[in-house]
Amino acid sequence: DADVTQTPRNRITKTGKRIMLECSQTKGHDRMYWYRQDPGLGLRLIYYSFDVKDINKGEISDGYSVSRQAQAKFSLSLESAIPNQTALYFCATSDLGSGTGANVLTFGAGSRLTVL
Amino acid sequence: GESVGLHLPTLSVQEGDNSIINCAYSNSASDYFIWYKQESGKGPQFIIDIRSNMDKRQGQRVTVLLNKTVKHLSLQIAATQPGDSAVYFCAENIMGSNYKLTFGKGTLLTVNP
Repeated sequence: DADVTQTPRNRITKTGKRIMLECSQTKGHDRMYWYRQDPGLGLRLIYYSFDVKDINKGEISDGYSVSRQAQAKFSLSLESAIPNQTALYFCATSDLGSGTGANVLTFGAGSRLTVL
Repeated sequence: GESVGLHLPTLSVQEGDNSIINCAYSNSASDYFIWYKQESGKGPQFIIDIRSNMDKRQGQRVTVLLNKTVKHLSLQIAATQPGDSAVYFCAENIMGSNYKLTFGKGTLLTVNP
């Protein structure tokens, strides 16, 4: 099984629908992240969480919400999907340990969302 | 190398050649730089990182060079193989905000047999 599992892997929906993307991890990491990937724009941070009680906005959080249900689970919701939210979404985890090393992320395989 | 434009830079090499992928970064406060490889249909995978107080770091078939004077980072892949075909991203880990990784746009490496 993958260390970071995302569901669904592909989803097509219509404008205005509520969508939830789920992420679970077996790494035992405290930190979890949601990124969005668009062609030519690289990876942009939507939300991140340092532990179950800690949720923080990233650079493009508008139109999204998250829930950290447990250390191992972090879900991303689009309350009312719009076409420009069509993208590839990645969940990632990290564990800085002592905090003196690089913040190396472990990514899931991605969830491709199409909003019509 | 990296570009701020919308088109993904591409590098095409012959199998067995060495590849050099470049990245320009902007933040002098970055304390780590990380290279990721993303194969088609998969999430990015960690390749190698380098701390800002180093100029060079070697891994298995890969070498990362850091030139802080011109804010430039490169990933060298020796004896490139078809399995190296992927998009390669550099990322900056900014001091004082360990959560924050700023990713480059990526470079598409194609290895021709």
